[in-house]
Amino acid sequence: EAGVVQSPRYKIIEKKQPVAFWCNPISGHNTLYWYLQNLGQGPELLIRYENEEAVDDSQLPKDRFSAERLKGVDSTLKIQPAELGDSAVYLCASSKTSGRWNEQFFGPGTRLTVL
Amino acid sequence: AQKVTQAQTEISVVEKEDVTLDCVYETRDTTYYLFWYKQPPSGELVFLIRRNSFDEQNEISGRYSWNFQKSTSSFNFTITASQVVDSAVYFCALSESYNQGGKLIFGQGTELSVKP
Repeated sequence: EAGVVQSPRYKIIEKKQPVAFWCNPISGHNTLYWYLQNLGQGPELLIRYENEEAVDDSQLPKDRFSAERLKGVDSTLKIQPAELGDSAVYLCASSKTSGRWNEQFFGPGTRLTVL
Repeated sequence: AQKVTQAQTEISVVEKEDVTLDCVYETRDTTYYLFWYKQPPSGELVFLIRRNSFDEQNEISGRYSWNFQKSTSSFNFTITASQVVDSAVYFCALSESYNQGGKLIFGQGTELSVKP
């Protein structure tokens, strides 16, 4: 079974430029999560999808961040414009369903560097 | 407010030593789940174990064991006879009952370095 796929693995951009990250969850997984991981910290949830619906985006900085999950499968996270403080690893995870007991499967992440 | 604390930022051991990674959590919920994840240099978090708040039995899986003590709000992880391949960052995480979406609250992680 293929794992969670993310691309690109690395991205270097200049501040004020836009950037987008893509995630393909495990087949059959209805719940998709985007996490932000700063250096030396644990991941923090940005947004959670149940199929196509964003059911928890309370931690997403909506002035510059946006996300979508068309057709309830792949998802894209976008930052426009990027700031220096956005340099971090962006992790995508998926689980079969939502629920506090569910094991989440993580992708390798996209490491963003904003210059 | 929920919180997970991993007080050990870095641990360095020599191969074959036993090592314990500490995790202390805070929650007002009576029903919650605790997790441990491993993050090797490749970056992908790997699930290790899940425990619910009603199950305080210790668990052993090969060289790994977990000690859950509700009385002290701790969920510690021990690696017996450590190996170089155990080198990684280990995260403890909490998921609470009110949060039906499975949001994980992670600790800051403990970086384990096992030297040959």
